[in-house]
Amino acid sequence: QTVVTQEPSLTVSPGGTVTLTCASSTGAVTSGYYPNWFQQKPGQAPRALIYSTSNKHSWTPARFSGSLLGAKAALTLSGVQPEDEAEYYCLLYYGGAWVFGGGTKLTVL
Amino acid sequence: QITLKESGPTLVKPTQTLTLTCTFSGFSLSTSGVGVGWIRQPPGKALEWLALIYWDDDKRYSPSLKSRLTITKDTSKNQVVLIMTNMDPVDTATYYCAHKKSGLDYWGQGTLVTVSS
Repeated sequence: QTVVTQEPSLTVSPGGTVTLTCASSTGAVTSGYYPNWFQQKPGQAPRALIYSTSNKHSWTPARFSGSLLGAKAALTLSGVQPEDEAEYYCLLYYGGAWVFGGGTKLTVL
Repeated sequence: QITLKESGPTLVKPTQTLTLTCTFSGFSLSTSGVGVGWIRQPPGKALEWLALIYWDDDKRYSPSLKSRLTITKDTSKNQVVLIMTNMDPVDTATYYCAHKKSGLDYWGQGTLVTVSS
């Protein structure tokens, strides 16, 4: 069974920069996995941030960016705001099926 | 604008079959490249992708749940239906449907389904 792994938790100071990563049990994550990133706040539905590695939606704040970092997909937040405190999920494509990561709880402190 | 809303029973008994409906507006599921997917989230746990149906009726399922899932669409009604058989308490979750074009870009608010006798 394919497993997608994210950091369980990260802490960042307001105004700082943090990178969340997304790894696949099958090997290196490439653009062919079409990495997606989502933000979820308590009691809310997930909100799409990034698709196909680095593409932003019209509503995605400029401080969010997606990339490939080594063998992983990455989401970088630059100039973190208090409202960025949330759970973040990545989603990878495996030739027809999609698999979510376990999520990263980002604390802004 | 694109909106999606999930509907269905809030409580089902173990072994029963769950039928959820996603009613959407703002797009057509006959448009090339468009899909509608289902995702669930048990209380306090991570998201889990379940199934996806595309404009051309191509259907994709989570390998681990494939034997229990059926996804269908009614383009004229702007609805997508997910059927999950043999429900178990571990299937208790909030079930979301989402529009797929640029990734899973638009989501419904979700509906909580509890499996209990």
